Amino acid sequence: KNQVEQSPQSLIILEGKNCTLQCNYTVSPFSNLRWYKQDTGRGPVSLTIMTFSENTKSNGRYTATLDADTKQSSLHITASQLSDSASYICVVAGGSGGSYIPTFGRGTSLIVHP
Amino acid sequence: EAGVVQSPRYKIIEKKQPVAFWCNPISGHNTLYWYRQNLGQGPELLIRYENEEAVDDSQLPKDRFSAERLKGVDSTLKIQPAELGDSAVYLCASSLVGESSYEQYFGPGTRLTVT
Repeated sequence: KNQVEQSPQSLIILEGKNCTLQCNYTVSPFSNLRWYKQDTGRGPVSLTIMTFSENTKSNGRYTATLDADTKQSSLHITASQLSDSASYICVVAGGSGGSYIPTFGRGTSLIVHP
Repeated sequence: EAGVVQSPRYKIIEKKQPVAFWCNPISGHNTLYWYRQNLGQGPELLIRYENEEAVDDSQLPKDRFSAERLKGVDSTLKIQPAELGDSAVYLCASSLVGESSYEQYFGPGTRLTVT
């Protein structure tokens, strides 16, 4: 069964600090992996997408890494801001023949305190 | 450019009542998705449309859930009758093409509470 596990479940940090969120998956065949940010009461917004051949992708203060061999990904947030408080969801796309089968993680709830 | 529009934003109904959610995707997006998101969980795909055709509805509880996408644009998701366990946020998303490399754009969701 395809699964995406995220850790930690929740995280509290002080403004200006860095943090790293983890994502482990067992999706096969693998197509790509996305990290989404979901603010409270809003829909998820894509931050990064990585395919099998990519092992790092940045979007401003967000840097995602992918190790396709160990099936692990991380999202590193640098110099956190209050607006980074949100849920971060890892989504792994699998399937073949053009089909799109997304498997969502439960998300990591990040709270940034001033 | 307008994003994905959903209505209503909130809905409270009693169990056994029917309810419907509406979604207007981004103009030109031929693929539309409906997701259900329970509290503290990631979204779960219910159904995916390519234009008017439902190409993946394997996760849709067909005994009480139905969906349609007339003319390949707007879509409606219906629950009849609603059960307590249906309380969740229902998200609609659209993408230009129904392949994973194309970004999905999500609407704000409809929060359903069944009492």
